[in-house]
Amino acid sequence: QQPVQSPQAVILREGEDAVINCSSSKALYSVHWYRQKHGEAPVFLMILLKGGEQKGHEKISASFNEKKQQSSLYLTASQLSYSGTYFCGTEIYTGNQFYFGTGTSLTVIP
Amino acid sequence: DAEITQSPRHKITETGRQVTLACHQTWNHNNMFWYRQDLGHGLRLIHYSYGVHDTNKGEVSDGYSVSRSNTEDLPLTLESAASSQTSVYFCASSESRYSEQFFGPGTRLTVL
Repeated sequence: QQPVQSPQAVILREGEDAVINCSSSKALYSVHWYRQKHGEAPVFLMILLKGGEQKGHEKISASFNEKKQQSSLYLTASQLSYSGTYFCGTEIYTGNQFYFGTGTSLTVIP
Repeated sequence: DAEITQSPRHKITETGRQVTLACHQTWNHNNMFWYRQDLGHGLRLIHYSYGVHDTNKGEVSDGYSVSRSNTEDLPLTLESAASSQTSVYFCASSESRYSEQFFGPGTRLTVL
């Protein structure tokens, strides 16, 4: 039930772009994205509901392909502050449980 | 300002002891969640509640219990602590089923 994230880790230089993928084996109703910095709690980025919508938040945006049961997080012109571990969280149609992926470690270097 | 707090922030206990971790939120959220975070596993759901007197098991609920007697609190109890329960525990709350989750600062639990 746990979604699979890829890549597991990525290193970027400031200004480069990155894509983080989240894939589920079950039909999804919603996908959440969170960022966690070392030693801190996860912080909400955005939520996408069924309907294939795409959302944006400054230079971070996400898409949700309901048919493919996938979501992607797009980080554009990365900044040092983007470093952290990114988690997708998914709610499947059957049952009420919420499942987080294992995370993608993103490091932005000068 | 509304917030979500956890206590204690750090706890060391011995195998076999009962431990209770507290979670308190002041947003008046209906939904509350407990997760554990371990290297390589990300965040895994232990128990969750969608309202007072409602509790549900998550994917890793064995050895844990919760009760919800009011809106603000969802304490997590380890009935008989085991070394495998050494982890960082996060509590979270959300307004509704499909809204963002707000996380507490976490409790680092070590079972010796």
